[in-house]
Amino acid sequence: EPEVTQTPSHQVTQMGQEVILRCVPISNHLYFYWYRQILGQKVEFLVSFYNNEISEKSEIFDDQFSVERPDGSNFTLKIRSTKLEDSAMYFCASDTSGRRGDEQFFGPGTRLTVL
Amino acid sequence: RKEVEQDPGPFNVPEGATVAFNCTYSNSASQSFFWYRQDCRKEPKLLMSVYSSGNEDGRFTAQLNRASQYISLLIRDSKLSDSATYLCVVSNNNDMRFGAGTRLTVKP
Repeated sequence: EPEVTQTPSHQVTQMGQEVILRCVPISNHLYFYWYRQILGQKVEFLVSFYNNEISEKSEIFDDQFSVERPDGSNFTLKIRSTKLEDSAMYFCASDTSGRRGDEQFFGPGTRLTVL
Repeated sequence: RKEVEQDPGPFNVPEGATVAFNCTYSNSASQSFFWYRQDCRKEPKLLMSVYSSGNEDGRFTAQLNRASQYISLLIRDSKLSDSATYLCVVSNNNDMRFGAGTRLTVKP
């Protein structure tokens, strides 16, 4: 069964450093998403991406964040200068069409720890 | 008012019990509704979509009341494997908003 994959599974970085989280969505999916979940808290929407541009973003997704689809398979989330409060699990998700009601398939997540 | 509000629980029930979770949402323009389950330190996985007419999938029944902005999930004949956190999710276009989840533990 096709699945969303994410690398690395755990990333440790120093405050102020740049990190890039990588995702490979399911191959025939067209809409891609990033979410984060701070330990013990709810899953929070960051951004959705379609046709090589951002389609929606939340108030969390400020200028420190950017997304890119550099090739036909990878979908990346970059945090330019990490802060302690960026420590969280980051989930990538994708779906077939972005239509309302379609299931989003989540990757296993990358745990980011900012020291 | 929180965008999506759930009773955090925990709900501790014996095997075979029936348990119900409730969820309210604040955005009346919300268009799609889901229940996801999340196991500890794992990714969310879709349990079921929620339709206006209500829908059932085996032991799981979901209901939506748009007028009251209320969603419910009923689990019948609970199994040990149902132990998880159940996330109420409300969507407007591609913007999915998650509740904080309701923790369920099913005990032998």
